[in-house]
Amino acid sequence: AQRVTQPEKLLSVFKGAPVELKCNYSYSGSPELFWYVQYSRQRLQLLLRHISRESIKGFTADLNKGETSFHLKKPFAQEEDSAMYYCALSRGGSNYKLTFGKGTLLTVNP
Amino acid sequence: NAGVTQTPKFRVLKTGQSMTLLCAQDMNHEYMYWYRQDPGMGLRLIHYSVGEGTTAKGEVPDGYNVSRLKKQNFLLGLESAAPSQTSVYFCASSKPGAENTEAFFGQGTRLTVV
Repeated sequence: AQRVTQPEKLLSVFKGAPVELKCNYSYSGSPELFWYVQYSRQRLQLLLRHISRESIKGFTADLNKGETSFHLKKPFAQEEDSAMYYCALSRGGSNYKLTFGKGTLLTVNP
Repeated sequence: NAGVTQTPKFRVLKTGQSMTLLCAQDMNHEYMYWYRQDPGMGLRLIHYSVGEGTTAKGEVPDGYNVSRLKKQNFLLGLESAAPSQTSVYFCASSKPGAENTEAFFGQGTRLTVV
């Protein structure tokens, strides 16, 4: 069975500080990993996916298959980054349903 | 382009009552999903559908039923609501394909069962 673990429920940093949101997964095959974000009173939206190897809003995430991790990083946090972040995994192939972690609430203080 | 629309946005039910949540998408997506979001639990998959006329159980299907009679609609039913079903419900849709597995979410339905 696939599982996604986000060890931190809450993460608080100051503006301008680096931020890292941790995500570990368990899956025996080749997973597809995503980060979704939910800003206050808004719907969930895709932030980035590992397959694209892109940087969105200054965030990056590298898939480390050896450590089964997909941590989300940003070198300088901004107040507008405050949100709930969910790591998600898809098995790919013919089954694309997402398994989500429990989420990390990021607060960026001024 | 409306994307994924959920109806209603809010609802209060008494224990034992029934209701149906409607999800509609206009992106011609094959896959549709119902999740529930609870504090400290993340999003948990209730049921999903990989195409019109097909449904499958997710992680927490008990107490819910679904139907996908039309490709654009995915209905979630509660036959006899219980306080444990108080939650925020999210519908999502996606299009299969290695490069297109982004799920698009509705705005959520906040359900309270008293």
